[in-house]
Amino acid sequence: EVQLVESGGGLVQPGGSLRLSCAASGFTFSSYEMNWVRQAPGKGLEWVSYISSSGSTIYYADSVKGRFTISRDNAKNSLYLQMNSLRAEDTAVYYCARGTSDFDYWGQGTLVTVSS
Amino acid sequence: SYVLTQPPSVSVAPGKTARITCGGNNIGSKSVHWYQQKPGQAPVLVIYYDSDRPSGIPERFSGSNSGNTATLTISRVEAGDEADYYCQVWDSSSDHRVFGTGTKVTVL
Repeated sequence: EVQLVESGGGLVQPGGSLRLSCAASGFTFSSYEMNWVRQAPGKGLEWVSYISSSGSTIYYADSVKGRFTISRDNAKNSLYLQMNSLRAEDTAVYYCARGTSDFDYWGQGTLVTVSS
Repeated sequence: SYVLTQPPSVSVAPGKTARITCGGNNIGSKSVHWYQQKPGQAPVLVIYYDSDRPSGIPERFSGSNSGNTATLTISRVEAGDEADYYCQVWDSSSDHRVFGTGTKVTVL
């Protein structure tokens, strides 16, 4: 059974940093491209970042480019999102999602709250 | 950046057909995917590559895509279909993935 489990969310002050993790199981993690998608409270879905299976190709949404860094460790079956210079508008549930064009499996999400 | 526009809400009686549109410039040239999200839950893929259904998704869910509009159709609507629905594409010109604005489906 494919499982994606996010962790690392919490309360952080504006300008602070946080690192999210996504632990994958039930499939060959190193063969799949991965993404982070977020959802602000009461709002729609927003794609955040993509990473290829090897980690060699990375893309970011304009809203996070230069502040967030996506990475992966295929030996540990894990995906990461390093978030720096956090702003109030980054407050959201962050999901990791498997896929290239479509996202066929999603984690349950981890809540990030940016507030003083 | 590429924009996908959905109606904010659609209401439908049980047993009837719900149609949710997703508008985008020449969206017919792209592959469209659809997600269902119930309150407090992660999104679930219900249609991929315009009209394919993942295993476990009822045949009542179907999709089409042409011109500037993609459509998700839910036939014989049930109370359990009440949820938010999002369309999504891969904008190859930017390599960004883009979600639609979302549609809340209410079963009357």
